[in-house]
Amino acid sequence: AQSVSQHNHHVILSEAASLELGCNYSYGGTVNLFWYVQYPGQHLQLLLKYFSGDPLVKGIKGFEAEFIKSKFSFNLRKPSVQWSDTAEYFCAVNEPSTGKLIFGQGTTLQVKP
Amino acid sequence: DTAVSQTPKYLVTQMGNDKSIKCEQNLGHDTMYWYKQDSKKFLKIMFSYNNKELIINETVPNRFSPKSPDKAHLNLHINSLELGDSAVYFCASSHLDTQYFGPGTRLTVL
Repeated sequence: AQSVSQHNHHVILSEAASLELGCNYSYGGTVNLFWYVQYPGQHLQLLLKYFSGDPLVKGIKGFEAEFIKSKFSFNLRKPSVQWSDTAEYFCAVNEPSTGKLIFGQGTTLQVKP
Repeated sequence: DTAVSQTPKYLVTQMGNDKSIKCEQNLGHDTMYWYKQDSKKFLKIMFSYNNKELIINETVPNRFSPKSPDKAHLNLHINSLELGDSAVYFCASSHLDTQYFGPGTRLTVL
């Protein structure tokens, strides 16, 4: 069965610092990759996704992610975080055989003003 | 014009009761899902329906029964609620492998 691992459980940054959240997955075949964000008390919102093509994908709110197939990774980045980026971030992989979305355990990002 | 909506937003109930959570999507998607988010924020799929047909049924206790009256609705009925059922339940729908989530229902079992 496929699994998704997010290395950082809790990240604390000051405003304007750069962000990189790690995500690795276990499936060896073709996958669809996603990052979702969950602001406090809210539902999950899609930040960005990778299906094919350019491995560097840009999402909303200045976020981007890079798919590195050889490393089974899909890390999320933002050059300069804001206090409003404080949220829970989830990496997810779509399991092609079943259509299931497999989530990582999430990373709590706290941005200090 | 909410894309995926759920009712109720909060649900507080006693152990042993039966409750339902409703989900509706106005996106025209064929596939809908239920996820459970536990107290550690971990999200796990429970069920998936495609055009009213059950296609994913994870190892969920049979006290949980999804029902899809039409492809725009996927309701979740839970019998004999237990303390461990306390969680946030998210409904989602998908189009071309991208899932869109509802606002969640926070269920608290006392």
